[in-house]
Amino acid sequence: QKEVEQNSGPLSVPEGAIASLNCTYSDRVSQSFFWYRQYSGKSPELIMSIYSNGDKEDGRFTAQLNKASQYVSLLIRDSQPSDSATYLCAVRGVSSASKIIFGSGTRLSIRP
Amino acid sequence: DTEVTQTPKHLVMGMTNKKSLKCEQHMGHRAMYWYKQKAKKPPELMFVYSYEKLSINESVPSRFSPECPNSSLLNLHLHALQPEDSALYLCASSQVGAANYGYTFGSGTRLTVV
Repeated sequence: QKEVEQNSGPLSVPEGAIASLNCTYSDRVSQSFFWYRQYSGKSPELIMSIYSNGDKEDGRFTAQLNKASQYVSLLIRDSQPSDSATYLCAVRGVSSASKIIFGSGTRLSIRP
Repeated sequence: DTEVTQTPKHLVMGMTNKKSLKCEQHMGHRAMYWYKQKAKKPPELMFVYSYEKLSINESVPSRFSPECPNSSLLNLHLHALQPEDSALYLCASSQVGAANYGYTFGSGTRLTVV
């Protein structure tokens, strides 16, 4: 079982709709959860981080965490063509020395 | 300054060459990382430096040699690489002291080994 699992996509969503990206992780003691956006040929960019169960909103982005189900998701409201990218889910353990483990990424395509 | 700067942006090297990748940050981060990313794959961790000391080496071949000369700089020395080492090499940094910190990535060096 992979440590961090994501559906590779591509996920195609019409412009203006809500895009929903999902991620599961295997290590129950994971502490911190991150979503990175990566455009083709570019480096990953941190867009959301979440540490507590529940929802965290930042502009059009909402991260959701459910530690009991070992599940984290990212919602993108009012999707724009510029949101088309690969979204990497990343998980970090309890120790500050713990490395971040990346999922394989979900490719999101927003169609006009 | 909230950036991680990597140079060069592109590098083409032969299998007998020696080259170095450089990374610099001025955010006061005391953890720095090297990642390798192949096309359509997630970043793979290579090395972690914490307070300028190597803390994680993910069984990387010795043809890759990291160096952290001070708290702002991280180098990756390359020697006798293989064509399969062609990839995007990413440097990242983060704060140390709590697990709640994500990484800030540089823009990467696109390496081609011929």
